[in-house]
Amino acid sequence: EPEVTQTPSHQVTQMGQEVILRCVPISNHLYFYWYRQILGQKVEFLVSFYNNEISEKSEIFDDQFSVERPDGSNFTLKIRSTKLEDSAMYFCASSVVPWDFYEQFFGPGTRLTVL
Amino acid sequence: QQQVKQSPQSLIVQKGGISIINCAYENTAFDYFPWYQQFPGKGPALLIAIRPDVSEKKEGRFTISFNKSAKQFSLHIMDSQPGDSATYFCAASNTDKLIFGTGTRLQVFP
Repeated sequence: EPEVTQTPSHQVTQMGQEVILRCVPISNHLYFYWYRQILGQKVEFLVSFYNNEISEKSEIFDDQFSVERPDGSNFTLKIRSTKLEDSAMYFCASSVVPWDFYEQFFGPGTRLTVL
Repeated sequence: QQQVKQSPQSLIVQKGGISIINCAYENTAFDYFPWYQQFPGKGPALLIAIRPDVSEKKEGRFTISFNKSAKQFSLHIMDSQPGDSATYFCAASNTDKLIFGTGTRLQVFP
């Protein structure tokens, strides 16, 4: 069964450093998303991406965040200068086609720890 | 108005019992209501979803009941099993952004 994959599974970084989280969405999916989940809290939407453009972003997704689809398979989230409060689980998700875009499939997540 | 309120925060059920988790929303523009199941260390996985043109949807032991006038929906797990022990999130959407509830940690004891 096709699945969303994410690397690394755990990333530890120093405050102020740049991190790039990587995702490989399901191959025939066209919509891509990043969500985050602070430990013990709910899953929060960060950004959605379609046709090489951001389609929607949340208040959390400020100028420190960026997303990119550098090739036909990868989807990345970059945090330019990490803060302690960026420590969370980051989930990538994808969905198939615009008329069915609500059914989002999530990856296993990357745990980001900012020291 | 974008919030989805979920209760209870945690739930303990005996094997074979019925687990019921409730959610409420304010935004009447929401038109898609999925439930996600999350096991420790894993990403959320879609369990079942409903659109507001129906009042109930059943898939195996899992049923969503939807009350449009009350702006509430609930997940019922019949014949709960220890393997159902997980965190359950309701969500709502009217765009490509899912708004999640705060989660319910379900524990099913044998």
